Amino acid sequence: AQSVSQHNHHVILSEAASLELGCNYSYGGTVNLFWYVQYPGQHLQLLLKYFSGDPLVKGIKGFEAEFIKSKFSFNLRKPSVQWSDTAEYFCAVKGNSGGYQKVTFGTGTKLQVIP
Amino acid sequence: EAQVTQNPRYLITVTGKKLTVTCSQNMNHEYMSWYRQDPGLGLRQIYYSMNVEVTDKGDVPEGYKVSRKEKRNFPLILESPSPNQTSLYFCASSHLGEQFFGPGTRLTVL
Repeated sequence: AQSVSQHNHHVILSEAASLELGCNYSYGGTVNLFWYVQYPGQHLQLLLKYFSGDPLVKGIKGFEAEFIKSKFSFNLRKPSVQWSDTAEYFCAVKGNSGGYQKVTFGTGTKLQVIP
Repeated sequence: EAQVTQNPRYLITVTGKKLTVTCSQNMNHEYMSWYRQDPGLGLRQIYYSMNVEVTDKGDVPEGYKVSRKEKRNFPLILESPSPNQTSLYFCASSHLGEQFFGPGTRLTVL
């Protein structure tokens, strides 16, 4: 069975600080990986996704993530956060092996950016 | 505009009173899912559907039912709601694993 771990549950940063949120997954085959963002009171929206090719993926709003296969990781980064990045961030994995391709979400990381 | 809609957005009910939360998508996606979101637990899948008349249990199906009579609609049914089903519910349609979420339904069961 596949699983996702997000070890940082709550992160507090000052504006302009750099961000890195950890995501590790467990799955025996090839995967697709996703980061979603949920702003307060809203639904989840896709930030970026990795299917294949360049392991460094760029998404919206200056976010990027790097897929490191050997570490089973897909960490989210942003060089300089803004107050508007305050939100909850979810990593998700989809295993690619036959049948229904289930997506599993991590438990989320709440990011608070202080002006 | 491509979207997933859910109704109602907010619902307060009492234990045992049957309710249905509707979900509709206009993207012609085959896959649809229901999730519940609880603090500290992230999103957990309740049920999913691979196509019309094809549904299956997710991780937390107890106390819920679904149906998929048409491709665009995927209602969630709580036959006899209980307080532990108080939660934030999201419907999603998906394509190649990317989930497109509805706005959410906040359900309180007293």
